[in-house]
Amino acid sequence: AQTVTQSQPEMSVQEAETVTLSCTYDTSESNYYLFWYKQPPSRQMILVIRQEAYKQQNATENRFSVNFQKAAKSFSLKISDSQLGDTAMYFCAWVAYSGAGSYQLTFGKGTKLSVIP
Amino acid sequence: DGGITQSPKYLFRKEGQNVTLSCEQNLNHDAMYWYRQDPGQGLRLIYYSQIVNDFQKGDIAEGYSVSREKKESFPLTVTSAQKNPTAFYLCASSLTTASYNEQFFGPGTRLTVL
Repeated sequence: AQTVTQSQPEMSVQEAETVTLSCTYDTSESNYYLFWYKQPPSRQMILVIRQEAYKQQNATENRFSVNFQKAAKSFSLKISDSQLGDTAMYFCAWVAYSGAGSYQLTFGKGTKLSVIP
Repeated sequence: DGGITQSPKYLFRKEGQNVTLSCEQNLNHDAMYWYRQDPGQGLRLIYYSQIVNDFQKGDIAEGYSVSREKKESFPLTVTSAQKNPTAFYLCASSLTTASYNEQFFGPGTRLTVL
């Protein structure tokens, strides 16, 4: 079974500090996409960042960046200058081929991040 | 504003009843999805649809049914055969089911079985 593992159920960080959320996945495919989604207390899921596996360069979106280690099957999310609005559940997700030309997201169980004033 | 709407926000059901959760999108997306979220779990795929009049089972389809008669709409019916239906349900859509496409999510429906 192809899985996504987030080993940190909960984390906290001081406002303005940097935090890294870890994610590992298991696949035998060579080309795929990885995503980090954020779910704040409102429960609205929002895409944070996306990484294409064939790209060597790590993706960056403002204060959010990833450390993608393809050989290690690791995809961690770094949040710099943490803000109170970053408090949320963060889900790592990996796209798996589900047949008939379609793909489906497989999600990790999430990391609950609390930003402390 | 383009987006995905789900209704109702909260839904209560008695055991033995079928209920239907609504999902509508005006993003002109071909693909739509239904996920179930339980505490301490990630999202699990129930059903997805690549195009109108077509849908496929996801990982946990038992006890659920869907239809896709219109591009904009993808309702989910939770039947009495679903053993543990109390959960948070999220609908999503994407341009297509291709791997690189971002999925956009609705605000969710919280279903509680009394």
